[in-house]
Amino acid sequence: DQQVKQNSPSLSVQEGRISILNCDYTNSMFDYFLWYKKYPAEGPTFLISISSIKDKNEDGRFTVFLNKSAKHLSLHIVPSQPGDSAVYFCAASDGGGTSYGKLTFGQGTILTVHP
Amino acid sequence: ETGVTQTPRHLVMGMTNKKSLKCEQHLGHNAMYWYKQSAKKPLELMFVYNFKEQTENNSVPSRFSPECPNSSHLFLHLHTLQPEDSALYLCASSQVQGANSPLHFGNGTRLTVT
Repeated sequence: DQQVKQNSPSLSVQEGRISILNCDYTNSMFDYFLWYKKYPAEGPTFLISISSIKDKNEDGRFTVFLNKSAKHLSLHIVPSQPGDSAVYFCAASDGGGTSYGKLTFGQGTILTVHP
Repeated sequence: ETGVTQTPRHLVMGMTNKKSLKCEQHLGHNAMYWYKQSAKKPLELMFVYNFKEQTENNSVPSRFSPECPNSSHLFLHLHTLQPEDSALYLCASSQVQGANSPLHFGNGTRLTVT
């Protein structure tokens, strides 16, 4: 039973446009959400996070939105760049502030940004 | 360059072999983790160590044996593995507490069991 789901295995976007990656979760105890990016032959790298007390967090070109009632979060990348092409993982924690490393991951979405 | 270093990067072993995966973090963190990524599956948490003490074993078979001699080093000892254990094994570290301390991952060890 997958508690974090990324239903789109892949997404293709033109350079300069917006990329929107989606993630749904089922566990209402999750209170902290993160996005990681992974290039081939490398480990995942942290991108951006959001606490359940917020509905939006922004960092440069990256914005994460959280809709708790729908148990849905999304990552917006604007404008998209070819270097953003990677696998994006959504992850969630129910640590309540003490176990941010115990994450439940989604399966990932492969983002391809075309020049 | 990642602050979490894993060796070896690739490992091929037979089912009767014994091998160890090594992880070292240079970030001053006090928590370390083993995650596993099998083909077409999400990353799965295996073990958690906080201040060198194991605090989580996510129902991992005993053929996987972790060791954490100090807060900077983590090992995963492998013995009598099965072909279905072939996967990418990722080490990570973080601070035990603190909202601004997400996981930092190493580049992983690609394990193939023959």
